[in-house]
Amino acid sequence: EVQLVESGGGLVQPGGSLTLSCVGSGFSFSSFWMSWVRQAPGKGLEWVANMKKDGSEEYYADSVKGRFTISRDNARNSLYLEMNSLRAEDTAIYYCARESAGNWGPDYYYFMDVWGKGTAVTVSS
Amino acid sequence: DIQMTQSPSSVSASVGDRVTITCRASQHISRWLAWYQKKPGRAPRLLVFASSSLQTGVPSRFSGSGSGTDFTLTIGGLLPEDSATYYCQQANNFPWTFGQGTKVEIK
Repeated sequence: EVQLVESGGGLVQPGGSLTLSCVGSGFSFSSFWMSWVRQAPGKGLEWVANMKKDGSEEYYADSVKGRFTISRDNARNSLYLEMNSLRAEDTAIYYCARESAGNWGPDYYYFMDVWGKGTAVTVSS
Repeated sequence: DIQMTQSPSSVSASVGDRVTITCRASQHISRWLAWYQKKPGRAPRLLVFASSSLQTGVPSRFSGSGSGTDFTLTIGGLLPEDSATYYCQQANNFPWTFGQGTKVEIK
């Protein structure tokens, strides 16, 4: 069964740090881009960051750039999100998602087809 | 960044009704748009990718269309289990961005 399982969430004070983990199983983890997406209480989905299959490229939402770092360990089928300088507005459920790719002629496109159940992060004093 | 705007923000419809949600991108994104269903306490679920391709296992009452800047998701024959919030997401340029969501309620 294709599966993603997140862990590492919890309660942290403003200005603190936390690292989330996501372990993939049932598929070739190293063959896929991977993303983090979050949903704050009562709010919509917000894409946070993603990383290329081999870890050579990474991209971030403006809201987390410079504070969050995405990384991966393909030998451990794992994706990470290191979160620093946390703010109250970072409080959310954080989801790990697999990005699958397709092609339309010469163009490649991506979509998030497998999601974990999420891990909750609360930033509060 | 590309802004995604969905309308309406919410819709209330009866079982069997046809429901259409629109999504507009602030710039051209070709066909690189996906639709997701989100229920409280559940992970998001991919419904449609590349504007009109139905994800495996998704019922055929869901359909997507559009290209460029204007896209639609249609639920043809609403069922009680379709009560959820639906999000569009562009995958043309980084950073990926989502619409603000459309809440579909059953009357």
